Amino acid sequence: AQSVTQLDSQVPVFEEAPVELRCNYSSSVSVYLFWYVQYPNQGLQLLLKYLSGSTLVKGINGFEAEFNKSQTSFHLRKPSVHISDTAEYFCAVRVRMDSSYKLIFGSGTRLLVRP
Amino acid sequence: DAGVTQSPTHLIKTRGQQVTLRCSPKSGHDTVSWYQQALGQGPQFIFQYYEEEERQRGNFPDRFSGHQFPNYSSELNVNALLLGDSALYLCASSLLAGAFTDTQYFGPGTRLTVL
Repeated sequence: AQSVTQLDSQVPVFEEAPVELRCNYSSSVSVYLFWYVQYPNQGLQLLLKYLSGSTLVKGINGFEAEFNKSQTSFHLRKPSVHISDTAEYFCAVRVRMDSSYKLIFGSGTRLLVRP
Repeated sequence: DAGVTQSPTHLIKTRGQQVTLRCSPKSGHDTVSWYQQALGQGPQFIFQYYEEEERQRGNFPDRFSGHQFPNYSSELNVNALLLGDSALYLCASSLLAGAFTDTQYFGPGTRLTVL
């Protein structure tokens, strides 16, 4: 069965520092990966996605992620974070169900940016 | 371009009652998926609707049911509410479910509290 693991439940970082949020997946078939962000008391916003092509994917708000098939990882990075990046970040894998897809999410990583 | 909308924003019910949550998909989308997000966890897939039919279902009891209307909007119904049903309920819409480019966009969610 496909699954997603986000090992870090919380990542504290100072403003303007770089950050990496880790995501590992398990899958025996083609992999389609997503990162979503959830700000307090809000729904999920799509940050970026990997479907095919370049393994380095750029998203909104200066985030990027790199798909690494050999390490089964899809880590999210940002070179310089802002206070406004404080939020919960979810990694997800798209799983085939007959003729459609569903998303399987990790447990989330809370990014806490401190001044 | 209107995104995914959900109503109501918050809802408080007591055990044993029934509840109906509503979702309007992003303009141009034809598929609606529902997810349950318990506190401190990632979203869990409940079911998906396309062409007014339930296509796929996650590991949720029959107390959870839904409907999709001809305008693609959808309802999630939960009967005989339990305390454990307290969660954020997220609706996600997509176009051409099952297509390679299938990407789910989420609404702000409905926060259900069962007392």
